[in-house]
Amino acid sequence: AQKVTQAQTEISVVEKEDVTLDCVYETRDTTYYLFWYKQPPSGELVFLIRRNSFDEQNEISGRYSWNFQKSTSSFNFTITASQVVDSAVYFCALSEARGSQGNLIFGKGTKLSVKP
Amino acid sequence: DGGITQSPKYLFRKEGQNVTLSCEQNLNHDAMYWYRQDPGQGLRLIYYSQIVNDFQKGDIAEGYSVSREKKESFPLTVTSAQKNPTAFYLCASSHGQGVYGYTFGSGTRLTVV
Repeated sequence: AQKVTQAQTEISVVEKEDVTLDCVYETRDTTYYLFWYKQPPSGELVFLIRRNSFDEQNEISGRYSWNFQKSTSSFNFTITASQVVDSAVYFCALSEARGSQGNLIFGKGTKLSVKP
Repeated sequence: DGGITQSPKYLFRKEGQNVTLSCEQNLNHDAMYWYRQDPGQGLRLIYYSQIVNDFQKGDIAEGYSVSREKKESFPLTVTSAQKNPTAFYLCASSHGQGVYGYTFGSGTRLTVV
């Protein structure tokens, strides 16, 4: 069965610390897509990244980086030198090419608090 | 600018009243979704629609109803049968299915008193 697990419910760090948000997924499809979304206090979910199952290259975008490892079914997200504006709830999500009608399956989210 | 508009942002209703939440998109997306979010909880799928005039129940459809008469619009009605309607409601859309990800609206916070 398809599933996304974000084991960290809440994380609190001090500004400028690095922080890694964990995401573990389960799927039987060989073709699937992984996503990260950010939900700031305003409420709207903002797309951060999409990765397909055939591309295991890590990606870096500014202070954000993502580590995709199929061997451990993980898609972890690291924020380097965190800032107060990074405070938000972060969701990891999975979409299967064949299963779950293609709908996104979300983890329960990790609430990140960055203190000045 | 293309996007999804949810209105109103805040909504207050008396217990026992039906209420309709609006969701409009101008992205020409085929699929639309409604999610419910409770404090400290993840996103739970209420209903989704992949084409006009068709929709399917999600994980928590009881007490809710939807329609999809136009591609651009997917309103959600919270009926009096929904026992705990106070929550944050998010609408989303996608081009085709979720493999391309979703675009989300800014949400409607419904409070029933």
